[in-house]
Amino acid sequence: EVQLLESGGGLVQPGGSLRLSCAASGFTFAGYAMNWVRQAPGKGLEWVSGISGSGGNTYYADSVKGRFTISRDNSKNTLFLQMNSLRADDTAVYYCAKDWAYNAHYWYFDLWGRGTLVTVSS
Amino acid sequence: DIVMTQSPDSLAVSLGERATINCKSSQSVLYSSNNKYYLAWYQQKPGQPPKLLIYWASTRESGVPDRFSGSGSGTDFTLTISSLQAEDVAVYYCQQYYSSPLTFGGGTKVGIK
Repeated sequence: EVQLLESGGGLVQPGGSLRLSCAASGFTFAGYAMNWVRQAPGKGLEWVSGISGSGGNTYYADSVKGRFTISRDNSKNTLFLQMNSLRADDTAVYYCAKDWAYNAHYWYFDLWGRGTLVTVSS
Repeated sequence: DIVMTQSPDSLAVSLGERATINCKSSQSVLYSSNNKYYLAWYQQKPGQPPKLLIYWASTRESGVPDRFSGSGSGTDFTLTISSLQAEDVAVYYCQQYYSSPLTFGGGTKVGIK
């Protein structure tokens, strides 16, 4: 079955760190760019970060640049998001999302996980 | 950054009637080399992740009912649900993928009148 499964969310204090994972199955993971998109409670969608299929190119929203790091392990079909210096406004459901195009970067998303909730609070 | 502005914020439509959602980009999302608009539409039902409906402004994703259609030109785009069904109750988002950072509209909530 083609699916994405996020994990690693939870409650963390301001200034703390968290590492999210996204396990992919059912498709050739290394052939697709991957992304993280977040949604604050009751709010809209915000793109956070993207990475090429090889992992050689990474992209970030200004709001997380310098604090978050996206990476992937194609041997384990897994996407990661290392989040440091967390702030209250990082509180959101974090979705991993697969690019539509194989071996290309179109940056629209045809497969989403169910998300993992990150809560930053003291 | 390209700002995507959706209108209205919400609308209520009778079953079987047409629903129209607008999305305006702060600058062109037309890539001149291929003459394609870098604009997608998603549907998000309560408690679920978003689902891709439309890409290249008007290309329907596989499996999406043909009552959903996308159109537009310049900086103005429209998602139309030709005959609203109960299962279409959701929030709809547009997204530009012309340039980084990728940006979404604020969403339009569609309900039943």
